[in-house]
Amino acid sequence: ETGVTQSPTHLIKTRGQQVTLRCSSQSGHNTVSWYQQALGQGPQFIFQYYREEENGRGNFPPRFSGLQFPNYSSELNVNALELDDSALYLCASSGGGSNIQYFGAGTRLSVL
Amino acid sequence: EDQVTQSPEALRLQEGESSSLNCSYTVSGLRGLFWYRQDPGKGPEFLFTLYSAGEEKEKERLKATLTKKESFLHITAPKPEDSATYLCAVQQIIQGAQKLVFGQGTRLTINP
Repeated sequence: ETGVTQSPTHLIKTRGQQVTLRCSSQSGHNTVSWYQQALGQGPQFIFQYYREEENGRGNFPPRFSGLQFPNYSSELNVNALELDDSALYLCASSGGGSNIQYFGAGTRLSVL
Repeated sequence: EDQVTQSPEALRLQEGESSSLNCSYTVSGLRGLFWYRQDPGKGPEFLFTLYSAGEEKEKERLKATLTKKESFLHITAPKPEDSATYLCAVQQIIQGAQKLVFGQGTRLTINP
């Protein structure tokens, strides 16, 4: 167990809706990264938060947004859902002087 | 742009049959190469990180090695419980964020 927890485990939405995914980081970690993993592919970097600020973003449109809270937990919000947004969304936390990212179990999002 | 390519895409072995998985990378200044294991429907589990050519790390039946252009994950006398997808990633710094760039993974099946 990594100590990184994500909720919900599974989610079904329809095209055009909005969704919020949640992540609690491992104790002592102040950095949270979000990744999207399509079936059969490696994870793709969405963005990273450090001390409540976004400090880097991958090739994802602005309808993907996030927040990090003072307790270092985080949310990923996706607006105007598209069918291609169906994927496993992974949260990873790091910190404490190490660059190793520890992943949660993910949220499986299905967009119909 | 940093790139990571893993081969083979899939590998079937008999229990006890040793083999190696390959990870080729192109990166401007390696800040770390990471190996993760991912079981179906779960998040990636950290295995190893390597930082410089010639470095090796071992854990049970797994040994990771690194050269200037590739990394190998050697599996010795595997057991069925070693069946999983193995992901390789390099670390890239963008806008201050520590981003992981993943390969597509090698799906390993160990038959009893």
